[in-house]
Amino acid sequence: EVHLVESGGGLVQTGGSLRLSCVASGFAFSTYTMTWVRQVPGKGLEWVATMSRNGVSNYLSESVKGRFVISRDTSKDTLLLQMNNLRGDDTAMYYCAKGLGYNGYDIDTFDVWGHGTMVTVYS
Amino acid sequence: AIRVTQSPSSLSASEGDTVSITCRASERISTYLAWFQQKPGKAPQLLIYDASTLQPGVPLRFSGSRSGTDFTLSISDLQSEDSATYYCQQYYGFPPITFGQGTRLEIK
Repeated sequence: EVHLVESGGGLVQTGGSLRLSCVASGFAFSTYTMTWVRQVPGKGLEWVATMSRNGVSNYLSESVKGRFVISRDTSKDTLLLQMNNLRGDDTAMYYCAKGLGYNGYDIDTFDVWGHGTMVTVYS
Repeated sequence: AIRVTQSPSSLSASEGDTVSITCRASERISTYLAWFQQKPGKAPQLLIYDASTLQPGVPLRFSGSRSGTDFTLSISDLQSEDSATYYCQQYYGFPPITFGQGTRLEIK
């Protein structure tokens, strides 16, 4: 069975850093796009970052570009999100999501999501 | 970035009813649109991708359609467990991927 388990969230001061992890199991991790999506409690979904299927390309939203880095460790089937210079508007639940992989491209939607890890940035 | 405008923001219906939720993309996105269901405290779940393809395991009461840049999620024979928030997502313009604002569905 396919599983994604996020960890690493917590309470951090403005300007601080956190590293989120997402451990994958039950599928060939390195052959799917992997994405981070966040959600402010009670609000909508916001795409944050995607790692391409081949692991060479990564894509970041404008709101986090220059502050967040997405990467993966294929030896551990783990997706990472290094978050630096955190701001109050980064406060959200962060979900890891697996690409559906139905069309062979990095343009993809998500068929499996983790339970999320909460990040709270305080001043 | 391509915007998706979702409506209505909320609706209420009774068990057995049929409801529709629409998303309008700000430009052509072919069929690169998905629909998700999210229940409180849970992660979103994929219902439909490629505008009208039902994800395995999703009840046939759910269906998706497209007309130009307008996309519709229809739910027939509403059940109490359909109470949730529904989101559309376009992935044609990736990056970025963008989501609709969400529709909260209440079952009376």
